Amino acid sequence: EPEVTQTPSHQVTQMGQEVILRCVPISNHLYFYWYRQILGQKVEFLVSFYNNEISEKSEIFDDQFSVERPDGSNFTLKIRSTKLEDSAMYFCASSVYRTGDEQFFGPGTRLTVL
Amino acid sequence: GESVGLHLPTLSVQEGDNSIINCAYSNSASDYFIWYKQESGKGPQFIIDIRSNMDKRQGQRVTVLLNKTVKHLSLQIAATQPGDSAVYFCAEKNNAGNMLTFGGGTRLMVKP
Repeated sequence: EPEVTQTPSHQVTQMGQEVILRCVPISNHLYFYWYRQILGQKVEFLVSFYNNEISEKSEIFDDQFSVERPDGSNFTLKIRSTKLEDSAMYFCASSVYRTGDEQFFGPGTRLTVL
Repeated sequence: GESVGLHLPTLSVQEGDNSIINCAYSNSASDYFIWYKQESGKGPQFIIDIRSNMDKRQGQRVTVLLNKTVKHLSLQIAATQPGDSAVYFCAEKNNAGNMLTFGGGTRLMVKP
């Protein structure tokens, strides 16, 4: 069964450093998402992406965040200057539907900012 | 607003019993709902979804019920198994966008 994959599974970084989290969405999906989950809290939407453009973003997705589809398979989330409060699980999701129905999630990247 | 260190309600059931997990949603404009299962250290796993023009939808061993009048969603799991032990989240979405808004989750513990 096709699935969303993410790398790395765990990333440790120093405050102020840049990180890039990588995702490979399901191959026939065209709509991509990033969510995060701070330990013990709800899953929160960050951004949706389609046709090389951001479709929607939340208040969390400020100027330190950016997304990119650098090639035909990868979808990345870059955090320019990490803060302690960026420590969380970051989940990539993808959907075949423009409406965002049936979003399938990857296993997540645990980001730890020291 | 969000609470730090969310305290998850827990449902403990005996293996073989049926489980019912409930979710209240707040946005009356939401027209699509999903249940996800999240095991420890893993991403949310799609279980079943339902659109607002339906009251009930059945999958394999799972049923989702939607009551739009009181903005309530439930997930029924038949013959609960130890492998069903996880945190279950409901999520909602409206036609204005494609972001999912997740609920706080319920931890299901299945006793053998």
